[in-house]
Amino acid sequence: GAVVSQHPSRVICKSGTSVKIECRSLDFQATTMFWYRQFPKKSLMLMATSNEGSKATYEQGVEKDKFLINHASLTLSTLTVTSAHPEDSSFYICSARVLGDNEQFFGPGTRLTVL
Amino acid sequence: QKEVEQNSGPLSVPEGAIASLNCTYSDRVSQSFFWYRQYSGKSPELIMSIYSNGDKEDGRFTAQLNKASQYVSLLIRDSQPSDSATYLCALKTSYDKVIFGPGTSLSVIP
Repeated sequence: GAVVSQHPSRVICKSGTSVKIECRSLDFQATTMFWYRQFPKKSLMLMATSNEGSKATYEQGVEKDKFLINHASLTLSTLTVTSAHPEDSSFYICSARVLGDNEQFFGPGTRLTVL
Repeated sequence: QKEVEQNSGPLSVPEGAIASLNCTYSDRVSQSFFWYRQYSGKSPELIMSIYSNGDKEDGRFTAQLNKASQYVSLLIRDSQPSDSATYLCALKTSYDKVIFGPGTSLSVIP
């Protein structure tokens, strides 16, 4: 159990376009989902925390108008990278957690390349 | 000061040896600690979680926690080439978020 999926796994887009990444908890209801970004040979950096039905909480330095997060249901959160630039190219990973649990389950990640 | 620190490595050990990975943290309030393994191009997978001082064993893996010293470690016994990966130390902060250390690259030499 505790499977988290992400779609797409890879995406290449042109500079200035927007890209949407979906994160789904397949066999459990995730009250909280987290979005991380990882640059090559670097660790995971938390971007934002989203709770179902409420606005996401962004980490310092993360532009909320650029990285739009929606957590409309207990099984789906989306991250939209708006007006993507080459420096947004990264590995985006979501994770999901059930309220009260310590453990969070990671999706397989989405590799974004902005040309 | 960084919140979670690890030696970046690479750490190289021969097959069959014990690999020792260390992590220190700055948030004294943290109560939950995790070790993740990440293969290149993949997302992290949870190996161990530990919440109390002392040792916790699971197969070839032993996690050790010392809250007074703000120190967490992971021992891998009988290391195998398939253990070659980056190992990430993580903790849950007082704000209920999980943050990661920079990771230690482990290479197990056949």
